[in-house]
Amino acid sequence: DTGVSQDPRHKITKRGQNVTFRCDPISEHNRLYWYRQTLGQGPEFLTYFQNEAQLEKSRLLSDRFSAERPKGSFSTLEIQRTEQGDSAMYLCASSSEGGFDGYTFGSGTRLTVV
Amino acid sequence: AQSVTQLDSHVSVSEGTPVLLRCNYSSSYSPSLFWYVQHPNKGLQLLLKYTSAATLVKGINGFEAEFKKSETSFHLTKPSAHMSDAAEYFCVVSENSGNTPLVFGKGTRLSVIA
Repeated sequence: DTGVSQDPRHKITKRGQNVTFRCDPISEHNRLYWYRQTLGQGPEFLTYFQNEAQLEKSRLLSDRFSAERPKGSFSTLEIQRTEQGDSAMYLCASSSEGGFDGYTFGSGTRLTVV
Repeated sequence: AQSVTQLDSHVSVSEGTPVLLRCNYSSSYSPSLFWYVQHPNKGLQLLLKYTSAATLVKGINGFEAEFKKSETSFHLTKPSAHMSDAAEYFCVVSENSGNTPLVFGKGTRLSVIA
C-alpha cells in the first residue's frame, strides 16, 4: 500500500455538469476525510467517514455535494450542477480511529469549472 | 470551537539562518496539534505532532515545535534553513483526543533566500 490515492488528478468541467472524484485510502485506516482547498487558503473540512458511516458533514457541504463510502473502503465525492465557485483542490485523507498519528493526505483532485 | 491562527502569511529567511513560524490555537478541550508542510504541486506531509506527551516535539527535517499551554501557542522552529524548506506550512488543531476533524490555519509561506 503506497498511501492515499485520488483520481483523477485534474478535472475540467463546464458549469452545470456533474463530476465525481474517487479516493482510495490506506487499507488499514478506517477513517476517511474529504477537504477542499482554494488558492491561498488552508484546507477546509467537508465530511468524514468511519468505515461506511458518514459521521459528520460541514456546513460547507451544500446539497449539491454528496459523498459515499459504500463498503468502508474507497470513497466517492460527487458534485452536481457544478458552479464556478466549486473550483478548488479536493483533498482526501485517511487515518486510524482517533487520528492520533495525524492524517495521511492524497495528492488531491484539482477541479476547474469553466 | 477549535481554531488556529497563523500570525504570518509569509516569512522570508536567508539560507542557514533560523526559522520561526508562529501559531496560536483556541480549543475548549485538550488539543492535539500538528504542523503540515505542502510543497508546490505536492500533497500535504505531516512534519510533527503534539498529543499531550512531551511539550517539545521533534519532527522530520530538523523541525521542532513547543506546546505552551499558558500562551496557547505551538510555534514551529528550525535552527538552520535550507533551500528545500521553501514551502507552505500549516498549523493544525484537533480537539477531543483527535475525534474531531483537523482544523487548518490559513498557512504561512516560507521563502528561503540563497
